[in-house]
Amino acid sequence: DAGVIQSPRHEVTEMGQEVTLRCKPISGHDYLFWYRQTMMRGLELLIYFNNNVPIDDSGMPEDRFSAKMPNASFSTLKIQPSEPRDSAVYFCASTITGGGAQTQYFGPGTRLLVL
Amino acid sequence: AQSVAQPEDQVNVAEGNPLTVKCTYSVSGNPYLFWYVQYPNRGLQFLLKYITGDNLVKGSYGFEAEFNKSQTSFHLKKPSALVSDSALYFCAVRDNRAGGFKTIFGAGTRLFVKA
Repeated sequence: DAGVIQSPRHEVTEMGQEVTLRCKPISGHDYLFWYRQTMMRGLELLIYFNNNVPIDDSGMPEDRFSAKMPNASFSTLKIQPSEPRDSAVYFCASTITGGGAQTQYFGPGTRLLVL
Repeated sequence: AQSVAQPEDQVNVAEGNPLTVKCTYSVSGNPYLFWYVQYPNRGLQFLLKYITGDNLVKGSYGFEAEFNKSQTSFHLKKPSALVSDSALYFCAVRDNRAGGFKTIFGAGTRLFVKA
């Protein structure tokens, strides 16, 4: 298995622009998580999905952030409009229920820089 | 509310010496506890977890962790450190009540192993 795939790996954009981050979870996994990592705030859970349905979006910072999961193999995290304080590494992770295997498998991350 | 604390920002140890990375947690129900490791420019990788059973859990790369319910701790240990163990280590906790999958990560502890 290729693992969790994220694209792009790096994104540089200007303040006010729309940014879309993409994630492909491991095939068969039914949970998908979006995290943000910064030096100041550490690793924060933004939102997670179960069977493509958002379960907890309490970590989404504000209305500028939105996430979708149109099918089991694809999710997007969109920031519109972007601001410099959104600069961070964004990770996607997936896991599967059952069998006590709650381990999360992380993608390589997308490093976002908003100028 | 569930939380996890890693009291040390950084741990320094000489190669060949034992290492300990500390973690304490707070959760209402029975905890699921995890350790993850992050190498530079990579996503987090699972090391080990405690769900139930034996308090001493063995994981990848020779790491182990001891669950101590009375002290609400889950310290990560390794008998003999390697230079290649140098990385950022995250403790995480999940409240296993109500089947929720929200996992809270600690701030991380940077481990430096000197040759």
